[in-house]
Amino acid sequence: DQQVKQNSPSLSVQEGRISILNCDYTNSMFDYFLWYKKYPAEGPTFLISISSIKDKNEDGRFTVFLNKSAKHLSLHIVPSQPGDSAVYFCAASVRGAQKLVFGQGTRLTINP
Amino acid sequence: EAGVTQFPSHSVIEKGQTVTLRCDPISGHDNLYWYRRVMGKEIKFLLHFVKESKQDESGMPNNRFLAERTGGTYSTLKVQPAELEDSGVYFCASSPNWALPVPEDTQYFGPGTRLTVL
Repeated sequence: DQQVKQNSPSLSVQEGRISILNCDYTNSMFDYFLWYKKYPAEGPTFLISISSIKDKNEDGRFTVFLNKSAKHLSLHIVPSQPGDSAVYFCAASVRGAQKLVFGQGTRLTINP
Repeated sequence: EAGVTQFPSHSVIEKGQTVTLRCDPISGHDNLYWYRRVMGKEIKFLLHFVKESKQDESGMPNNRFLAERTGGTYSTLKVQPAELEDSGVYFCASSPNWALPVPEDTQYFGPGTRLTVL
């Protein structure tokens, strides 16, 4: 029973355009959500997070949107750059439980 | 500040053998986590230490897996005996003991150990 799902295994975007990565979750107890970025042969690197009390969090080119009623979050990257090519993982946690529940990842490729 | 380190980076063993993975968290981080990613699937939680104590080991697959955290510093994860389905990448992560969780629950990951069981 996968509680966090990233239904797009891959996404290809032109450099300079917007990349939108999506994530759905089923557990209504989740109250904290994170995006991690992973390059080959490296561990996941924290990118941006959002608490369930917010519906948007922005950090430079990265914005995360949370729709609690739809149990959906998305990561927007604008403008997309070649260095953004990586696998992006969505993760969720229940405050206090601390363990992260991950999606399967979306491989983002930015084309020049 | 040094990040989370893991050793070895790769390990190839035969079914039935024993393997021990090591993780050194970021200095001063009380929380240490083990995760595993199998065959390009999601990264799955294995267990969580707070200092030397196991806080949550609900993700440990079976009793062939033994995790320890000596003195609340580094941690080892032993697989004995290894089976084919244990193949995957094992990640370790750490986080501080936040007085106020800001940024909440952010965990810092090591590069992983790729385990191949033949």
